[in-house]
Amino acid sequence: DAGVTQSPTHLIKTRGQHVTLRCSPISGHKSVSWYQQVLGQGPQFIFQYYEKEERGRGNFPDRFSARQFPNYSSELNVNALLLGDSALYLCASREGVSRYGYTFGSGTRLTVV
Amino acid sequence: GENVEQHPSTLSVQEGDSAVIKCTYSDSASNYFPWYKQELGKGPQLIIDIRSNVGEKKDQRIAVTLNKTAKHFSLHITETQPEDSAVYFCAAALFYFGTGTSLTVIP
Repeated sequence: DAGVTQSPTHLIKTRGQHVTLRCSPISGHKSVSWYQQVLGQGPQFIFQYYEKEERGRGNFPDRFSARQFPNYSSELNVNALLLGDSALYLCASREGVSRYGYTFGSGTRLTVV
Repeated sequence: GENVEQHPSTLSVQEGDSAVIKCTYSDSASNYFPWYKQELGKGPQLIIDIRSNVGEKKDQRIAVTLNKTAKHFSLHITETQPEDSAVYFCAAALFYFGTGTSLTVIP
């Protein structure tokens, strides 16, 4: 079975630009969450989605937004990129909100120059 | 929100020795505590988890203990092997991660 897949794997953007990151969860998983991992730090929670609805949001500015589609895939959008947005963006999925344990993808490495 | 602290930040052990990583959390309502292993270039991988109604859980060479009163939990790896070398993260309530421990197992 395919795991959580994220695209692209690497991305370079210029300050002020917009970026869209994509995530396909494991088949049958309905909950997706997004994390930002700055080099040398633990993942920071950005969003959780379940059944296409936002179920949780971390302490990130409104420049960050996300959505989940009917097939449970998800997009993370970041507007007006800053140098500090450079990080590994991780997507994770699990079956539902009542089931423990997320499975993570390998992430998208975003570099803002 | 929840605050998770993790120690030590780096840990070197000889192959075959044990490694212990400790975490504390702040929100007494947290009831789920996973541990993740992250290798270079990969996402975190769940290695073991524990729920608040259990004090200890073991899976082969890995064990986790939880002290709800003191709000701390620990990861124990016995008989360490070079392939255990990685960064380990604790987490509380699914979404709140510690700062990570870089474990090096010296052959």
